[in-house]
Amino acid sequence: DTGVSQDPRHKITKRGQNVTFRCDPISEHNRLYWYRQTLGQGPEFLTYFQNEAQLEKSRLLSDRFSAERPKGSFSTLEIQRTEQGDSAMYLCASSYRPIRSGTDTQYFGPGTRLTVL
Amino acid sequence: GQQLNQSPQSMFIQEGEDVSMNCTSSSIFNTWLWYKQDPGEGPVLLIALYKAGELTSNGRLTAQFGITRKDSFLNISASIPSDVGIYFCVSGTASKLTFGTGTRLQVTL
Repeated sequence: DTGVSQDPRHKITKRGQNVTFRCDPISEHNRLYWYRQTLGQGPEFLTYFQNEAQLEKSRLLSDRFSAERPKGSFSTLEIQRTEQGDSAMYLCASSYRPIRSGTDTQYFGPGTRLTVL
Repeated sequence: GQQLNQSPQSMFIQEGEDVSMNCTSSSIFNTWLWYKQDPGEGPVLLIALYKAGELTSNGRLTAQFGITRKDSFLNISASIPSDVGIYFCVSGTASKLTFGTGTRLQVTL
């Protein structure tokens, strides 16, 4: 399977615990994105990386959230001291952005559904 | 911020019927994308539009990028049960996508 993969697919945790999600992008893709989707809504942008550099972060990404892409391949999203409002689907996407192109197409993974009790 | 409004919000149709949905924005965009999301899965790209007035087909799906660059529509012909899902129009910058409010499609036999 050469698509974007995410692990785990489901995570149930107690309020106050830390959780970490992993995303493996399509292998030749240099950009990686994180989105959050709550029930009945479309995905909302959180942050993105070009190679290992984190280039943009949304205001939705509070101080309890941190994302890394240490080697420019897989990425992790960590949520510290989880709150019930963090319950959502966390989606990862990847794309290949050529240097001289203004557009790229994002391909999404299956998501990690987080439930905070 | 940017908002993409989709209509209808939801629709029930019978198998074999054609479906039409649209998306409007108060902002001008250079790209329109249409994604479909099945329950518990990530969105899947259906069609990408890069030029005002562009009309693109993908099998039974046809989408158009409005001339004003503020709207787009998606048509599905001869719907089948697996067309069930949520359809999102999407736009934004090259680095940050903004998803529309979604159209939930349900197909009855």
